[in-house]
Amino acid sequence: AQSVSQHNHHVILSEAASLELGCNYSYGGTVNLFWYVQYPGQHLQLLLKYFSGDPLVKGIKGFEAEFIKSKFSFNLRKPSVQWSDTAEYFCAVRRNNAGNMLTFGGGTRLMVKP
Amino acid sequence: DAGVIQSPRHEVTEMGQEVTLRCKPISGHNSLFWYRQTMMRGLELLIYFNNNVPIDDSGMPEDRFSAKMPNASFSTLKIQPSEPRDSAVYFCASSSGTSLNEQFFGPGTRLTVL
Repeated sequence: AQSVSQHNHHVILSEAASLELGCNYSYGGTVNLFWYVQYPGQHLQLLLKYFSGDPLVKGIKGFEAEFIKSKFSFNLRKPSVQWSDTAEYFCAVRRNNAGNMLTFGGGTRLMVKP
Repeated sequence: DAGVIQSPRHEVTEMGQEVTLRCKPISGHNSLFWYRQTMMRGLELLIYFNNNVPIDDSGMPEDRFSAKMPNASFSTLKIQPSEPRDSAVYFCASSSGTSLNEQFFGPGTRLTVL
């Protein structure tokens, strides 16, 4: 069965530190990839998505992610985090034969210390 | 567009009572998803509709849970009878092919079963 793995469950950083959150998936076919963010007490919002083309995707709020097909990975990065980035981050994958269904990873809780 | 609308935003009920959660997807979206989020289990897909038809309900925990989508603009998730372990935040999301499969999430319903 397809799975999406986010190996870091909790990450604590100081402001201005660099961030990289891992995401790996197990499906071998064509995929679309997403990162969602959930701020405390709020719903999930899209950060960025990859469908085709340049494997380095730029998203909102200075986030980016790189699709590395050979590694089945789609890691999320930000060069300098802010306290307001404290949130839970979810990676999601859509298989090309799965309609509009997404498979979500378990999430990574990021805490940024001021 | 107003986005995905869910009601109620908060629901507190007693064990054994029937609970009905409501969702209005974004107009024009043809896929609708119900998720449950808890600290212990994270984000779980309960059921997925496409063009008002249930496609995948393998995530529905048991027969106490049922979901309907009588038309393209309305869906319900019903729990009868409710149990304390059903306490969670329930999210509805919608998407369409023209949105490149991005799922738009509603604000969620926080359910507490006493």
